Amino acid sequence: GQNIDQPTEMTATEGAIVQINCTYQTSGFNGLFWYQQHAGEAPTFLSYNVLDGLEEKGRFSSFLSRSKGYSYLLLKELQMKDSASYLCAVTTDSWGKLQFGAGTQVVVTP
Amino acid sequence: GAVVSQHPSRVICKSGTSVKIECRSLDFQATTMFWYRQFPKQSLMLMATSNEGSKATYEQGVEKDKFLINHASLTLSTLTVTSAHPEDSSFYICSAVLPGQGSSLFFGSGTQLSVL
Repeated sequence: GQNIDQPTEMTATEGAIVQINCTYQTSGFNGLFWYQQHAGEAPTFLSYNVLDGLEEKGRFSSFLSRSKGYSYLLLKELQMKDSASYLCAVTTDSWGKLQFGAGTQVVVTP
Repeated sequence: GAVVSQHPSRVICKSGTSVKIECRSLDFQATTMFWYRQFPKQSLMLMATSNEGSKATYEQGVEKDKFLINHASLTLSTLTVTSAHPEDSSFYICSAVLPGQGSSLFFGSGTQLSVL
């Protein structure tokens, strides 16, 4: 079956670093997305990985290991506005169909 | 950049009525769009794949007669929730991808449906 796992919640203090792990088992793989979502709003694109390795984009970095079915999203220099749900999603085709993990609620405390 | 527009953003309706949600690709043609549903504190669940000019493909457990999808043009897909009930209250969101570019994916702004 298809499975995408990520922790339910993580708490960190302002200025710290948090790493959100995502493991997946899917029939096929055409890329992995990370999104940020605030309650009641559409997801906001953070990153896309299709090849192994680390993609860095400002305070956010994403890593992928296809052989291990594993990805992580690294958030550095946490700010209060980073408190949100972070969604790991896998696409198995080139048409944009996504399977989402349950999401990780990140709580940033002062 | 490419944008997907979704309307309405919020709708409140009485039980038993039908509600139509529109999803438009504003500056590109989308032969395929996707509809997701999200219940509070849960993740997005794919409901169906909307295919221009043909029938939608529904995910297991999604009632095709209750959630009618029409993709009559290359820029518009509609989702109609028929005979809505309180348990249909949810956040509905569509997405579309630039043709042939699976990583260039855009979400609509979402529709919060509340059925009284």
